[in-house]
Amino acid sequence: EAAVTQSPRNKVAVTGGKVTLSCNQTNNHNNMYWYRQDTGHGLRLIHYSYGAGSTEKGDIPDGYKASRPSQENFSLILELATPSQTSVYFCASGDGTGGALEQYFGPGTRLTVL
Amino acid sequence: GDSVTQTEGPVTVSESESLIINCTYSATSIAYPNLFWYVRYPGEGLQLLLKVITAGQKGSSRGFEATYNKETTSFHLQKASVQESDSAVYYCALGPDTNAYKVIFGKGTHLHVLP
Repeated sequence: EAAVTQSPRNKVAVTGGKVTLSCNQTNNHNNMYWYRQDTGHGLRLIHYSYGAGSTEKGDIPDGYKASRPSQENFSLILELATPSQTSVYFCASGDGTGGALEQYFGPGTRLTVL
Repeated sequence: GDSVTQTEGPVTVSESESLIINCTYSATSIAYPNLFWYVRYPGEGLQLLLKVITAGQKGSSRGFEATYNKETTSFHLQKASVQESDSAVYYCALGPDTNAYKVIFGKGTHLHVLP
């Protein structure tokens, strides 16, 4: 069974609307991440978390908030969605135990902001 | 700063041909970087293909190989004979040597394998 799931898988939103992307992991990993994937940019880190109750800014946090209410769940919130936030969003969990920070990804959410 | 540069795609090869996707890295703030190749098949999330955490070592999986070359700061992905099912996007990534948070990804290389 998939260890990292995302919902919704596809979302169409209007400019100025609020969007919440959800992520759930059953790996019991402390670290969770939100990335966006755009052509020509690769994966860019938006927010991450070290554990329940923590959220940290990544490389491109502007326009996004994050929430980590539990070990399993990590949400990405767009309070006022803009067309520039149209992208594919990936959630991941990771555990650096042993040294190598391998990440486990969800299937992605395709967001279109009109 | 720390960065990863990989072959710009799309890369198109015919089935049974050999493949190399180049990856070079810069790890100015990481003393002992770990190196990864991830793959994303259509409609799926990224999944780890292989990883190497020690310079000079080679990783392999599903017929793919990559050698961690600290002298040339490279981690090229190679396969002797590709299959149509290898069509995907491949990402080279650079990770920390401690339980820090960040992995740095390349832009991805889209591979098309023709039947």
